[in-house]
Amino acid sequence: NAGVTQTPKFQVLKTGQSMTLQCAQDMNHNSMYWYRQDPGMGLRLIYYSASEGTTDKGEVPNGYNVSRLNKREFSLRLESAAPSQTSVYFCASSETRVWYQETQYFGPGTRLLVL
Amino acid sequence: AQKITQTQPGMFVQEKEAVTLDCTYDTSDPSYGLFWYKQPSSGEMIFLIYQGSYDQQNATEGRYSLNFQKARKSANLVISASQLGDSAMYFCAMRELSTGRRALTFGSGTRLQVQP
Repeated sequence: NAGVTQTPKFQVLKTGQSMTLQCAQDMNHNSMYWYRQDPGMGLRLIYYSASEGTTDKGEVPNGYNVSRLNKREFSLRLESAAPSQTSVYFCASSETRVWYQETQYFGPGTRLLVL
Repeated sequence: AQKITQTQPGMFVQEKEAVTLDCTYDTSDPSYGLFWYKQPSSGEMIFLIYQGSYDQQNATEGRYSLNFQKARKSANLVISASQLGDSAMYFCAMRELSTGRRALTFGSGTRLQVQP
């Protein structure tokens, strides 16, 4: 059981370049999330998707777009990368239950460096 | 105001001893959930334990227990019989009904180092 997978594991971009981070889960979860983690900080929510076909902004959405391609896949796109987007990006998924009991399961993360 | 506060940037503990990692939270919402995650040096986020605001008993999962003091708005993680493999960053997180969304709000974390 792979759980939540992310690709790539590591990426270096130049300022202004674009890229898409891929995330897939095989747990049949409805909800998926993208977080970023900056050094010495906890995770902050970028976007989330409560179900296939829906997406909503989180705490730090500027500079990002997302696509919930199907129930399994949720991608994060940087259209024009900036050094401030250097971070570790985590994808997570959760099964819809009593909402506050939902446990989120995380992927291994993508380390992004923008020069 | 900070939603989740973890006041201990770093902690040391001797192997086989118990350790308590502090977490206080700020919410006016009566319905919320509290979570602890472990992040080893490899980087992945591992779910440890959950406590609901309406739960009458403190949550336990193996060597992990949550000391939930609702009136004081604290949800401290207790690790019993520490092992070298427990060395990691530990994050406290919360989800509130009033936010209308399912995302977690994380604290800044505590780095635990277990010494032999």
